[in-house]
Amino acid sequence: GQQVQQSPTSLVLQEGENAELQCNFSTSLNSMQWFYQRPGGSLISVFYNPSGTKQSGRLTSTTVIKERRSSLHISSSQITDSGTYLCALTSGGNYKPTFGKGTSLVVHP
Amino acid sequence: DPKIIQKPKYLVAVTGSEKILICEQYLGHNAMYWYRQSAKKPLEFMFSYSYQKLMDNQTASSRFQPQSSKKNHLDLQITALKPDDSATYFCASSQETGGARDTQYFGPGTRLLVL
Repeated sequence: GQQVQQSPTSLVLQEGENAELQCNFSTSLNSMQWFYQRPGGSLISVFYNPSGTKQSGRLTSTTVIKERRSSLHISSSQITDSGTYLCALTSGGNYKPTFGKGTSLVVHP
Repeated sequence: DPKIIQKPKYLVAVTGSEKILICEQYLGHNAMYWYRQSAKKPLEFMFSYSYQKLMDNQTASSRFQPQSSKKNHLDLQITALKPDDSATYFCASSQETGGARDTQYFGPGTRLLVL
């Protein structure tokens, strides 16, 4: 079965609303990363967060290993936040990340 | 100026042919990676290199061969191309090979279509 599941598949917001993106995993976790993919396709690393909570500006990532989940919270969403958010987990000692299918976020003015 | 260059941007190939995807990074990084993204599958990790040596390999097929002629180059040779190889191939780099700990910077991708 799929090791990494992201929800929701898609999300539509009005500018200024908050977004909560979920990533659930079924295997042991060594590391968790979040990536952002622009509508044009370019990719950006957003967070490395194997456990606990990390914040960067309007973005907050929380990983709870026991519950096998990681979340990405976007506060006061902006139009430029639109795109696809991918989570990727690594289990074991090597770096062989498994990606989720992503959450497509659309923020309207 | 772009820091990670991938060439070509678009590539159309015939089934059974061979192609080389070029990646050069000008960030002074020591680690480089290849990923693949197709319409049917999530983003997939393929290879990681550190100081021109293979670190991790997630690609089952030997038709995919990375080639590193210089520390800032990691090309991807694909032989006996199949239509299923159609995808966008992303190159990335990071300062070191701390795995997920190191922030990766991605190139714009090469979109490959195999007919």
